[in-house]
Amino acid sequence: GNSVTQMEGPVTLSEEAFLTINCTYTATGYPSLFWYVQYPGEGLQLLLKATKADDKGSNKGFEATYRKETTSFHLEKGSVQVSDSAVYFCALRGYNTDKLIFGTGTRLQVFP
Amino acid sequence: DAGVTQSPTHLIKTRGQQVTLRCSPKSGHDTVSWYQQALGQGPQFIFQYYEEEERQRGNFPDRFSGHQFPNYSSELNVNALLLGDSALYLCASSFQGQAGANVLTFGAGSRLTVL
Repeated sequence: GNSVTQMEGPVTLSEEAFLTINCTYTATGYPSLFWYVQYPGEGLQLLLKATKADDKGSNKGFEATYRKETTSFHLEKGSVQVSDSAVYFCALRGYNTDKLIFGTGTRLQVFP
Repeated sequence: DAGVTQSPTHLIKTRGQQVTLRCSPKSGHDTVSWYQQALGQGPQFIFQYYEEEERQRGNFPDRFSGHQFPNYSSELNVNALLLGDSALYLCASSFQGQAGANVLTFGAGSRLTVL
């Protein structure tokens, strides 16, 4: 079945450091891929998405490219801020369904 | 424009009891999905409601049931609570133009603790 694997956290960085959070997936067909962010005490917010191979999703300085050859959707940001501290979830959605399959999440901690 | 609203935000129950959680979708949305997020885990899909019917269901026992009302709001009911049901329950809404084509909007969740 479909699944998502994320790197375990926490990821601890200093402000302005480069961020990479790895995400790989297993799926039949051509899923859509997402990154969601969850700030403390809040629900999930969509950060970015990509719906087909080689698409690049981007938002708020974050980017991720849908790589079908490596079944990956790694999240990157060139310069993190303290306000980026949160839990990040990679997710996929199969064809003709709204059901999302999430990874276990990666906690990011950014220190000044 | 109000997003997805859930109630209650926190509640505590004891084993064997029953609980009802409520969700109002974002304005303009007609589909509601429920997810369970255990501590330190990613959300797990419970089920989805559209046109007042359960359209898709995840791998959850029959103790988990739901309902959607004509105004698109929804309830999640869990019977015979177990300690393992302690989790954050997230509601997500979307507009069902075409399944798989829409982005979900999540609420802040209802945190259930079972003692």
